[in-house]
Amino acid sequence: DTGVSQDPRHKITKRGQNVTFRCDPISEHNRLYWYRQTLGQGPEFLTYFQNEAQLEKSRLLSDRFSAERPKGSFSTLEIQRTEQGDSAMYLCASSFNRVPSDTQYFGPGTRLTVL
Amino acid sequence: EDQVTQSPEALRLQEGESSSLNCSYTVSGLRGLFWYRQDPGKGPEFLFTLYSAGEEKEKERLKATLTKKESFLHITAPKPEDSATYLCAVQAKETSGSRLTFGEGTQLTVNP
Repeated sequence: DTGVSQDPRHKITKRGQNVTFRCDPISEHNRLYWYRQTLGQGPEFLTYFQNEAQLEKSRLLSDRFSAERPKGSFSTLEIQRTEQGDSAMYLCASSFNRVPSDTQYFGPGTRLTVL
Repeated sequence: EDQVTQSPEALRLQEGESSSLNCSYTVSGLRGLFWYRQDPGKGPEFLFTLYSAGEEKEKERLKATLTKKESFLHITAPKPEDSATYLCAVQAKETSGSRLTFGEGTQLTVNP
């Protein structure tokens, strides 16, 4: 399977704990995105990387959230001191930078439940 | 600020009953408009990209069209396996990256 993969698929944690998610993009893609989706809503942009550089972060992304993409390959998204409002599906997408527009391909997501 | 509004929120069709989903958008400069399909508990699956008004794209029973303010996803003779949430998203020219702004989706149910 050469699609975007995410791990874990499901995570249940207690409020105040830290969690980390991993995303492996399609191998030749140089851009990687994180989105968050709550029930009944469309995905909401969090941050994006081109190669290893984090080029944009949403204003909605609190200081408790941090993302990395070492060596421009896989990416991790960490949430510190989780809150119940962090419960959502966290989606990763990847694309190849091209004109006029690059198509983003999504992974299966990580479902986070904060108790 | 980019905005995407999809209607209706939910749509129930009988198998074979054709219909259209609407996506209205506001963006300072459109780089691309995207349609995705999402099944419950899964990530969005790419369907189409449209770049300029008047453009149309087709795939099996689906056809997407674009005007300067709206896009339509036409579903011809749908089957139960077409049941899913259909998401519309825009990509603006002025953003440094390629963030997508999504609508809330239309949940389509096709009954046999």
